[in-house]
Amino acid sequence: GAVVSQHPSWVICKSGTSVKIECRSLDFQATTMFWYRQFPKQSLMLMATSNEGSKATYEQGVEKDKFLINHASLTLSTLTVTSAHPEDSSFYICSARPRGIGSYEQYFGPGTRLTVT
Amino acid sequence: KQEVTQIPAALSVPEGENLVLNCSFTDSAIYNLQWFRQDPGKGLTSLLLIQSSQREQTSGRLNASLDKSSGRSTLYIAASQPGDSATYLCAPAWGYQKVTFGIGTKLQVIP
Repeated sequence: GAVVSQHPSWVICKSGTSVKIECRSLDFQATTMFWYRQFPKQSLMLMATSNEGSKATYEQGVEKDKFLINHASLTLSTLTVTSAHPEDSSFYICSARPRGIGSYEQYFGPGTRLTVT
Repeated sequence: KQEVTQIPAALSVPEGENLVLNCSFTDSAIYNLQWFRQDPGKGLTSLLLIQSSQREQTSGRLNASLDKSSGRSTLYIAASQPGDSATYLCAPAWGYQKVTFGIGTKLQVIP
């Protein structure tokens, strides 16, 4: 149980285009989903927290107009990288926290490798 | 500032050895702490979750301990195998929502 999927697993796009990454909780409902970014040889950094039906909360230094997050349902959150640039090339990982009181554990997706040329 | 430090950054051991990975964190007021495994270019696999009220958790050859007051956790791997080779991440959760990751310990187990 507690499986999180991401699609696509990897994507290559041209500079200036937009890319959408999906994060799905397959066998549980997630009121909260998280988006992380990992640059080579660095730790995962939290980008934003999204709650179903409300606006995402972005961490300091993350441009909300560039990284659009939509948490449309209890099983789906999307991250859209708008007007992508080569410096946005990174590994993006989402996680989901199951619905329920006292549920602190997060389950992570397999990640999406974005390369912007 | 809440920070996570993992020592060593890299470790190479012969197959069969027992080993300990260390994690320290700056603020002891955590909700829980997770240990993850990350294979190259892959996502995260959760290994163990320790709640703040617990002292340790065990899963197979893995044992994680937590000393909240001193801001430390250790991951003990018994009888290491080549398949254990990966980067191991320590991730304390300070808020209801927020997990912070260390940079990890890269483990190589040599056959």
